[in-house]
Amino acid sequence: AQSVTQLDSQVPVFEEAPVELRCNYSSSVSVYLFWYVQYPNQGLQLLLKYLSGSTLVKGINGFEAEFNKSQTSFHLRKPSVHISDTAEYFCAESGGNTGFQKLVFGTGTRLLVSP
Amino acid sequence: ETGVTQSPTHLIKTRGQQVTLRCSSQSGHNTVSWYQQALGQGPQFIFQYYREEENGRGNFPPRFSGLQFPNYSSELNVNALELDDSALYLCASNLGGAGTEAFFGQGTRLTVV
Repeated sequence: AQSVTQLDSQVPVFEEAPVELRCNYSSSVSVYLFWYVQYPNQGLQLLLKYLSGSTLVKGINGFEAEFNKSQTSFHLRKPSVHISDTAEYFCAESGGNTGFQKLVFGTGTRLLVSP
Repeated sequence: ETGVTQSPTHLIKTRGQQVTLRCSSQSGHNTVSWYQQALGQGPQFIFQYYREEENGRGNFPPRFSGLQFPNYSSELNVNALELDDSALYLCASNLGGAGTEAFFGQGTRLTVV
């Protein structure tokens, strides 16, 4: 069965510092990978996605992620965070051969940015 | 272009009751999915509807059921509510296909007492 592991439940960081949020996926077949952000009392918003091609994916708000097939990882990075980046971040996968989108989410990482 | 809207935003029900949650998909999207997000957890896939037919289901019992209407709006129905059904229920719409972007609504917070 598909599963996504987010190794850190909470990541505290100072404003303007770099951050990496870790994600490992389980699927051994074709897989699509996503990072979503959830601000308090809101739904999820897509940051970026990997379907195929270049392993470095750039998203919105300065975020990027690198797909590493050998390590089954899809870590999210930002070189300099802002207070406004404080939110819950979810990594998700969707099998590429199911014909429909069933997103399997990790348990989330809370990013806490302080001044 | 309107986004995904869900109603109601909050709901309190008693154990054993039935509940209906509603979702209007983003304009032009023919696929709607429902997710359950328990407190402190990631969303879990309940099911998906494509052109009024259920075309995928997660590990949820049959008392979780749904409908999709010709205008692609959708309902999630839960019968015989249990305390563990308390969660944020999220609706997402997309254009179909595993790699497309899903647009999420703000969710309905269901509390079962």
